[in-house]
Amino acid sequence: DQQVKQNSPSLSVQEGRISILNCDYTNSMFDYFLWYKKYPAEGPTFLISISSIKDKNEDGRFTVFLNKSAKHLSLHIVPSQPGDSAVYFCAASASYQLIWGAGTKLIIKP
Amino acid sequence: GAGVSQSPSNKVTEKGKDVELRCDPISGHTALYWYRQSLGQGLEFLIYFQGNSAPDKSGLPSDRFSAERTGGSVSTLTIQRTQQEDSAVYLCASSFGQIQETQYFGPGTRLLVL
Repeated sequence: DQQVKQNSPSLSVQEGRISILNCDYTNSMFDYFLWYKKYPAEGPTFLISISSIKDKNEDGRFTVFLNKSAKHLSLHIVPSQPGDSAVYFCAASASYQLIWGAGTKLIIKP
Repeated sequence: GAGVSQSPSNKVTEKGKDVELRCDPISGHTALYWYRQSLGQGLEFLIYFQGNSAPDKSGLPSDRFSAERTGGSVSTLTIQRTQQEDSAVYLCASSFGQIQETQYFGPGTRLLVL
């Protein structure tokens, strides 16, 4: 059973527009959520996180929103830039272990 | 400072052979994780080491998989009698081991079992 789901395998966005990446989870015990970004042939790199006591966390162009009642989180990137083209993974934890989604490939079109 | 390094970067082996994958974590990081990413899938947790505690092996898919961490630093993941379904990218990450601590990943080892 997939505890963390990213239902969109890919997303294409025009440069300068907003990219919205979505993630759903099933385990209400998760209390910490992270987004990682992965370029080809590289390991994932940490992007932004949010604790379950918050509903929003912002870092520059990146904002993560958490809706606990819907068990849904989203990552907003605005404005989108060509360098944002990568695979984005959502991950959740209730302890030291991270449970990962399958990833969404974001393509930023010039 | 250096990040997490993994070797080899690519490994092609024949079915039935044993392979060893190596991970050098960030100096000072007490926690070390192994993950596997199959094509089109998310990261699958394999094993977790934290300091001198007994490792959490709950993610290892079969007894053909084992890992050790010597001296609290370098770790090796061994796959015995490899099968084609073992083909994947094997990723290692390290952290200071606190809950909600960011994990730092190596570039991975791409394993192809023919």
